[in-house]
Order: sequence, then structure tokens, then C-alpha cells
Amino acid sequence: GEQVEQLPSILRVQERSSASINCTYENSASNYFPWYKQEPGENPKLIIDIRSNMERKQIQGLIVLLDKKAKRFSLHITDTQPADSAMYFCAASADSGGSNYKLTFGKGTLLTVTP
Amino acid sequence: NAGVIQTPRHKVTGKGQEATLWCEPISGHSAVFWYRQTIVQGLEFLTYFRNQAPIDDSGMPKERFSAQMPNQSHSTLKIQSTQPQDSAVYLCASSTGTDSGNTLYFGEGSRLIVV
Repeated sequence: GEQVEQLPSILRVQERSSASINCTYENSASNYFPWYKQEPGENPKLIIDIRSNMERKQIQGLIVLLDKKAKRFSLHITDTQPADSAMYFCAASADSGGSNYKLTFGKGTLLTVTP
Repeated sequence: NAGVIQTPRHKVTGKGQEATLWCEPISGHSAVFWYRQTIVQGLEFLTYFRNQAPIDDSGMPKERFSAQMPNQSHSTLKIQSTQPQDSAVYLCASSTGTDSGNTLYFGEGSRLIVV
């Protein structure tokens, strides 16, 4: 199976600075890497994803980088705002035999953005 | 679209009792996933159905946990002889399931407390 390690587990940054979260995975067949944001009392929601045929993707202030050689991917939040405070989860999935697309999640990063 | 519906939202059960959790996936979604969320372990994969067929139950504790999907609009997770360590938020998610890279839409979760 897949194992996803996520660091740091806690991250505190000042408003308008950048925040970076890093994840590593083990299965070289993994080809899809989404990031989910979970606000207190809410369910996790997809915020950005990247597939293995890309190295970089940006949606507004969110940047995802993928290094397949190192089996590493990361989320960078630029110009952070207090509204970015939440739990963030990285995940990975591989197409195992044509029908198994389960996502394996990292343990999460609790981001706090202080004014 | 009502999203993924999970019931009950909260359940308190005595040690040794049975707990059944229900999930209604988004209409038209062919894949249904169950995850367990705790502070210590994060989002743990339990089991996954595609077109109602069980695809992967590698995350299910073998002895007391079972999951079924009797029809395309309904899945259940049953925990027999509940133990305090089963206390968690159980999240159901659905996706279109056509290939790797599908967004998981999570329900609000069922918070199970075993006393």
C-alpha cells in the first residue's frame, strides 16, 4: 500500500507571509496528488490537485509542486490570510490494477495565520 | 445537490454495543469511501466500493467492522462490540470514480463516542 508522510504537523505564520507544507510518498506508481482543506467542524474539501504529468500547478495563491524523482510534493500558500487557518491534508493515489483509486492521506498540518 | 449525507451526526454508545452508520452518496457517483478521522491518526482509509462492489477493505479492522452497499444510494458501516478506541469521526465520501484523480466529496461525518 501507499504511505504518505506530511510535515510539519503544526504551522504558525503571520498574515501576508507564505506557508509551506511538504509531503512524501512511497509508491512510485502514485499518479494523483490532491490537497484538502478542513475547517473546524467542517468536512475536508479539495482545494488543489496535481497529476504526475505536471511539476507545478497554481490556482490563485495556491501553488503545488511535484518532484517525482524524490517522491515529494508540496503546497505553498502565498500571501496568507486568517481565513487560510485550517487543517490541510495531502494525499496520494495510484491506479492499482485499473479500479482501485483509494486516496491515502497524510496526517495533516494545522495552519494558523495570525493577524 | 445535497452532497453526501451521513447519519447519525453524533452517536454515543456503551462499550460492547453495536453501532451502525449510514451514508447516502451523491446521486450518480459510483465510488463510495469510508474513512476514520482521529487527532492522532488523521484520515485513515477503511474501505471502498465501486458500483456497489467492494474494491478494497484493507483498512478495516477485521474482527468487528463490516461495510455494505446494498444499493447505489446507500452504504452502511457497522461496528460490533464497540470499544473506546473506536471513538472517532467516521467520514463517508463519494466520487464519480471513473479514474484516478477524482475529487472526493466528503459528508459531514458521524462522530462516534464509545463510553
